[in-house]
Parts: sequence; structure tokens; C-alpha cells
Amino acid sequence: DVKVTQSSRYLVKRTGEKVFLECVQDMDHENMFWYRQDPGLGLRLIYFSYDVKMKEKGDIPEGYSVSREKKERFSLILESASTNQTSMYLCASSATGAVGDTQYFGPGTRLTVL
Amino acid sequence: GESVGLHLPTLSVQEGDNSIINCAYSNSASDYFIWYKQESGKGPQFIIDIRSNMDKRQGQRVTVLLNKTVKHLSLQIAATQPGDSAVYFCAEKDRGGGADGLTFGKGTHLIIQP
Repeated sequence: DVKVTQSSRYLVKRTGEKVFLECVQDMDHENMFWYRQDPGLGLRLIYFSYDVKMKEKGDIPEGYSVSREKKERFSLILESASTNQTSMYLCASSATGAVGDTQYFGPGTRLTVL
Repeated sequence: GESVGLHLPTLSVQEGDNSIINCAYSNSASDYFIWYKQESGKGPQFIIDIRSNMDKRQGQRVTVLLNKTVKHLSLQIAATQPGDSAVYFCAEKDRGGGADGLTFGKGTHLIIQP
């Protein structure tokens, strides 16, 4: 079974703090993704990575950065957290090629910024 | 821009009945579709997928139907059980999309009545 884990299920931070969300997958997948999920807006892509040290902006990258130093790990960084970044953050991974379109998700991190 | 959407936000069915969840898409370049199930407080879980060269695919108690003529996707769940209560998302990806993320619908909340 594909397993995607996220470092925290719940996180509470203060405005201006630097926040790290970690994601690890154990299936040797090339592609990794970060989404945020908000009521009424569905899932929106923040950043994705198709290889180590590679990153691409998604639909809403503003206020976020990412790091992929190892194939299995993809980190989402909020340089200076703001209240509008309160959300559920979901990490996903997929393999490359035609069989790799399916994305497998982690359990999510519910972040609250006060 | 083009997006994936759902006809109904909430669907209530009796336990044991069949459920049909619908999804409309507008991107004619989409060639891959997925259905996810998301239970409260958890990440989306892959249910079934289908490529555009097919019009039907079956899994365990689930069937996905694709009508490319009217750009319509549906998920049929046979003999619904209490554990089927969740939000169901459709997602699509177009053939030119590369490694980037899927486009998700907003979700349909399936409620199973005892």
C-alpha cells in the first residue's frame, strides 16, 4: 500500500511565525504535491515537485515555498504565517508515466494561524 | 477558466440503495479522471479512475461512467453502507498537463440514511 505521512495532524501557530509542514512518502514516487483545502473552494494546488530539488508553482503559490532535498520528502514552508493561511493542508504523491496520474494523499494537517 | 464541477452538493440515500454521484467537466483535453472519497478529518482516498479511451470501469461495489460527448462523469455505488458516508470528489487531468496537479470538483456529501 502507498503510504503518505504528514508530520502533524493539527498545528496552531501565531501570525508572523515560520511554519514547516513535512510530508514523506514510501513508494519511491517521483511527483509530490501540496494542496490546501478550504470550505467552498475545494482543493487548490500550491506547489508540486517532479524530482529532487525541482519545484513548480501551482495555482496559489503566494506566501509559500517548498523544499525537496530527498525524493521521499517534500516540505511546505510558510515564511511568515498569516491568518488567511488557516486551512487544511494535504500532501500527495504519484509516480511518473501513464500509471502515475493517480495521486495518493496523506491524512492532512489542519493549520490554525492566530 | 475550465474547471471540474459537481451537480449536487449533498446526496442522501437509504442504506442498501444504490447511489449515483455526478460530475461535469468542461476541459475537452481531459483524458484522465479519478474519484476520491474523503471522510471527515482524513485525506482523500483513491476509489477508482478511468481514462478517456474507456466509457465504463468497475471496481468493488463502484462503477465509473464517462460520457465524453456531454463531458459527464458519474460514480455509482452499489448497496450503500454507513461507511460510504463521506464527501466524494471527482478530479481530472488533461493530456498536456505533465506532472502538475489534478483539477478537483468541489465535492458531493453523501449521507446514508438508516
